[in-house]
Amino acid sequence: DGGITQSPKYLFRKEGQNVTLSCEQNLNHDAMYWYRQDPGQGLRLIYYSQIVNDFQKGDIAEGYSVSREKKESFPLTVTSAQKNPTAFYLCASSSSGRALNNEQFFGPGTRLTVL
Amino acid sequence: GDSVTQMEGPVTLSEEAFLTINCTYTATGYPSLFWYVQYPGEGLQLLLKATKADDKGSNKGFEATYRKETTSFHLEKGSVQVSDSAVYFCALSGGGSNYKLTFGKGTLLTVNP
Repeated sequence: DGGITQSPKYLFRKEGQNVTLSCEQNLNHDAMYWYRQDPGQGLRLIYYSQIVNDFQKGDIAEGYSVSREKKESFPLTVTSAQKNPTAFYLCASSSSGRALNNEQFFGPGTRLTVL
Repeated sequence: GDSVTQMEGPVTLSEEAFLTINCTYTATGYPSLFWYVQYPGEGLQLLLKATKADDKGSNKGFEATYRKETTSFHLEKGSVQVSDSAVYFCALSGGGSNYKLTFGKGTLLTVNP
């Protein structure tokens, strides 16, 4: 079955530590996205990538970093510079990053808690 | 910039009741409009979409019509079920930012038996 996988489902981190969230897709999609979800805030875009080896900052990129070395993978690193990292993180992909009516497919999410 | 405003919840209904969740938007150009649903502990799933004015998106008994004159995309269902309990997000793409989805804050729906 095609889809998006995120791991782990739950992640605990001590303050001051970097942590990497995994996102893999086998949909052969060109574009991938990372969102952060906080209660009552909807989804906010962290980073996106329209093609391999290229990515751009979203609305709240500070304290995060990404890489896109392979088409199917788009890991997100939450660094110690992120002041309030506890949140639910969602990865998504779409066939193209440039189509107006492009549907985004979402993974199951990773809940990160900083202790 | 682009923005989406949807009615605040939570919304609590009895089974078989009629559902409306209001959504209005602000965007330049001609955006596409979406409704996504999120079940507890899961990611988002596309529920329906509309890509131009007067289009009606529909799926699983849910409907929404793209109204350009009122910049609205209200979600409706004639008879809700307990299994419809979830968070519903209205979103748009296009307008001033072709690549990204702009989401509303979400509306929590609880349906009681």
